Amino acid sequence: AQSVTQPDIHITVSEGASLELRCNYSYGATPYLFWYVQSPGQGLQLLLKYFSGDTLVQGIKGFEAEFKRSQSSFNLRKPSVHWSDAAEYFCAALTNSGYALNFGKGTSLLVTP
Amino acid sequence: EAGVAQSPRYKIIEKRQSVAFWCNPISGHATLYWYQQILGQGPKLLIQFQNNGVVDDSQLPKDRFSAERLKGVDSTLKIQPAKLEDSAVYLCASSSDRGRTYEQYFGPGTRLTVT
Repeated sequence: AQSVTQPDIHITVSEGASLELRCNYSYGATPYLFWYVQSPGQGLQLLLKYFSGDTLVQGIKGFEAEFKRSQSSFNLRKPSVHWSDAAEYFCAALTNSGYALNFGKGTSLLVTP
Repeated sequence: EAGVAQSPRYKIIEKRQSVAFWCNPISGHATLYWYQQILGQGPKLLIQFQNNGVVDDSQLPKDRFSAERLKGVDSTLKIQPAKLEDSAVYLCASSSDRGRTYEQYFGPGTRLTVT
């Protein structure tokens, strides 16, 4: 079955430290992949997406993600975290039928001073 | 450009009551989605419309949930009767078919509490 897995439920980082959020997918072929961020009381906002080509993709707010086919991973990174980055982060893949999104369970990011 | 609008933002009902949520997508977006997000989980697709036709409703509990998209624009999601396990945030999203970007734009959601 098609699935998206985010192994880390919670992650805590210090402000200014680097960040990596993990995402693994299980699909027959390479799916279209997305990272969304959800701040409290807000809707989901697209950070970046990968369809094909360069495996390192740049997104908004200084985020980037690297697609690794051999590891079935699409990890999100940021070199220096700001307190405003505290939020819930969701990895998602496009379904084969209808092009809806199949989401992981999310990783909650806490940023400490 | 106005975003996806949803109302109400919050709703508290008792079990076995009915409730309806409304969504107005971004102007010109042909595809509209309803997702259910239970606390601590990622959003799960309930139903997808293309214009006013249903593309996918395989995960919609049809014995209690119904949805329609009026004239291919606004959409309403209804629950009747509600159960405790329906407590969740209901997210509406829309996307444009032009350019095959597959980007979905989400509304702020409706938080439903069933007591």
